[in-house]
Amino acid sequence: KQEVTQIPAALSVPEGENLVLNCSFTDSAIYNLQWFRQDPGKGLTSLLLIQSSQREQTSGRLNASLDKSSGRSTLYIAASQPGDSATYLCAVESGGYQKVTFGTGTKLQVIP
Amino acid sequence: SAVISQKPSRDICQRGTSLTIQCQVDSQVTMMFWYRQQPGQSLTLIATANQGSEATYESGFVIDKFPISRPNLTFSTLTVSNMSPEDSSIYLCSVLPVSNTGELFFGEGSRLTVL
Repeated sequence: KQEVTQIPAALSVPEGENLVLNCSFTDSAIYNLQWFRQDPGKGLTSLLLIQSSQREQTSGRLNASLDKSSGRSTLYIAASQPGDSATYLCAVESGGYQKVTFGTGTKLQVIP
Repeated sequence: SAVISQKPSRDICQRGTSLTIQCQVDSQVTMMFWYRQQPGQSLTLIATANQGSEATYESGFVIDKFPISRPNLTFSTLTVSNMSPEDSSIYLCSVLPVSNTGELFFGEGSRLTVL
C-alpha cells in the first residue's frame, strides 16, 4: 500500500526566501507525481506534474524534482511571496490506473 | 486543462437530511472522481463516477450513503445521504481530461457542515 509523507507539516519563512518542500513515498513504482496548492477552504490547484520518466519540471518560480529510487520529490519555491501562503500537497499515482494517494500536506506561511 | 464548477460551494445541513453536490466541467473528460477531505486531513477518494453506469466505490464507502450519478461526459452529482456530524467535510470533484497526461484537476470544493 502506497504511503505518502510530507515534512514539515508546517513552515513559516520571511518573504524573499527560497524554500524546499519534501514529499516521500514508500512504493517507487509510480506512474507520476503531482504537486498542488490548496488555499483555506478551497479546492486544489495543480502546480506541476512529473511523469515517472522525468527528473524535474519547472513552472515560473517553482521547480519540482523526482527521485523514484529514493522515493522522494521536492518542490522548490524561489523568492517566496506572501501570495505563496497555502497548503501544498503532493499526490502519487501508483498501484493501478488512476490510483492516487495524497500526502497530508505542508502548510506554508510567507511573512511579509 | 479543465474548468470545473461545483455547487453548492458551502452548506449547513441538519442531521438526517441529504444533500446533492453538482460538478460541471467545461469540456469532455475521460474520468471524474469524488474526494472527501475531513477537517485537518488529506484527501480520500470516495468513488470514480462512470458515465452511464454505476460508480466504482473505494473501500469504506457505499452507494447507499454516497449515491453518484454521471449522465454524460461533463456532469456528475454526489449525494451525501442521511447526514451526521461526521460527514462534515469538504467534498471535491476531480477530473482527468481527454489529453490523459495523468494530470488531475479539481473543483473549488463544497464545504459541508452538519449540525
